[in-house]
Amino acid sequence: QSALTQPASVSGSPGQSITISCTGTSSDVGGYNYVSWYQQHPGKAPKLMIYDVSNRPSGVSNRFSGSKSGNTASLTISGLQAEDEADYYCSSYTSSSTLRVFGTGTKVTVL
Amino acid sequence: EVQLVESGGGLVKPGGSLRLSCAASGFTFSSYSMNWVRQAPGKGLEWVSSISSSSSYIYYADSVKGRFTISRDNAKNSLYLQMNSLRAEDTAVYYCAREATAIGAYAFDIWGQGTMVTVSS
Repeated sequence: QSALTQPASVSGSPGQSITISCTGTSSDVGGYNYVSWYQQHPGKAPKLMIYDVSNRPSGVSNRFSGSKSGNTASLTISGLQAEDEADYYCSSYTSSSTLRVFGTGTKVTVL
Repeated sequence: EVQLVESGGGLVKPGGSLRLSCAASGFTFSSYSMNWVRQAPGKGLEWVSSISSSSSYIYYADSVKGRFTISRDNAKNSLYLQMNSLRAEDTAVYYCAREATAIGAYAFDIWGQGTMVTVSS
């Protein structure tokens, strides 16, 4: 099972919106609405930001939103803030024997 | 407070063994599937293994299948990962993570702080 493909880096200025893509196959991203997104600051544990493609857990800012089209899922951060600078990972349920797969990760830089 | 605390990491020689533990508190541990996820230094996240609430269903990544064994003790609110035949490429921070069962999602909603495993001679 190969990792889902994400851009290595995305940057934006404060207040702008950015979108991170996560591309898989019909066996994972495209086949199920079980895509989740995680934020990880340096030296910290990951934090769940989006689950089931577009749902936000309690306490997560509504500046974070998720969507999916075909085999590609996306995370959009609107009104970019300095505290959003972190690594972001997507993950999906997969029909393969390994059950779960993560994306390659995207470093978000706030200019 | 909902919390996961890993322990058991350390330095081990190639071919050696190590047992990681994850102590859960603040929630009904026996109601949740649990997972191990690892992150090699400077690299991305890699799902390692999953175990259902009653241990009926267990899954492993291909990279650890046959070498690692996940288990749990619901009476002790604890998750374990027995790692045998360790390789240099197993060097990573190992996180335990709770399945987001309460919101019906295939996602990891609670993470521990991680424990470092270093495989080196």
